[in-house]
Amino acid sequence: RKEVEQDPGPFNVPEGATVAFNCTYSNSASQSFFWYRQDCRKEPKLLMSVYSSGNEDGRFTAQLNRASQYISLLIRDSKLSDSATYLCVVSGRGFQKLVFGTGTRLLVSP
Amino acid sequence: EPEVTQTPSHQVTQMGQEVILRCVPISNHLYFYWYRQILGQKVEFLVSFYNNEISEKSEIFDDQFSVERPDGSNFTLKIRSTKLEDSAMYFCASSPDLEETQYFGPGTRLLVL
Repeated sequence: RKEVEQDPGPFNVPEGATVAFNCTYSNSASQSFFWYRQDCRKEPKLLMSVYSSGNEDGRFTAQLNRASQYISLLIRDSKLSDSATYLCVVSGRGFQKLVFGTGTRLLVSP
Repeated sequence: EPEVTQTPSHQVTQMGQEVILRCVPISNHLYFYWYRQILGQKVEFLVSFYNNEISEKSEIFDDQFSVERPDGSNFTLKIRSTKLEDSAMYFCASSPDLEETQYFGPGTRLLVL
């Protein structure tokens, strides 16, 4: 089983749409959870950390379900600039080695 | 805003040659990392480094790889004898403390011919 599993997509949505991505992780000892964004041929950039209580940053909402080992990201009112690959990332205790999913590609069209 | 920088942005080398990839982490950060991403695949952890020592390394990080912090600013990844399968984007990252966000550099695209 993959450590972090994501639907690769692509998700094709019109501007203004709401889109949701899901991710599952296999290591129940994972401590920290993140969504990173990666544009084509660029470095991963932190979008947001994910907490058990859920957290929101503008149009972005992230949720964590530890019991199901499931992480989600909701993007409301999609913009053209949201087109990118969204990486689900987990880490364990210690020196915070990050374990990446393969990413979900989002294409927002006019 | 402080950034992680990496040089070169692109490197082409012949199989069997040694390459050194360079990174300048954010100045007050204490933890340093190398990751790689083969084209079309996920980002993979290679090694973490703290207090002038390797803290953790992956199975990928075999004897052909080494890391060094030769001075107060640079953090390098050396591949002694490159193989075709070493072709990838190599990302350096740094974080100010344990359990803190890792910030990634723009990467070095390595092509081994």
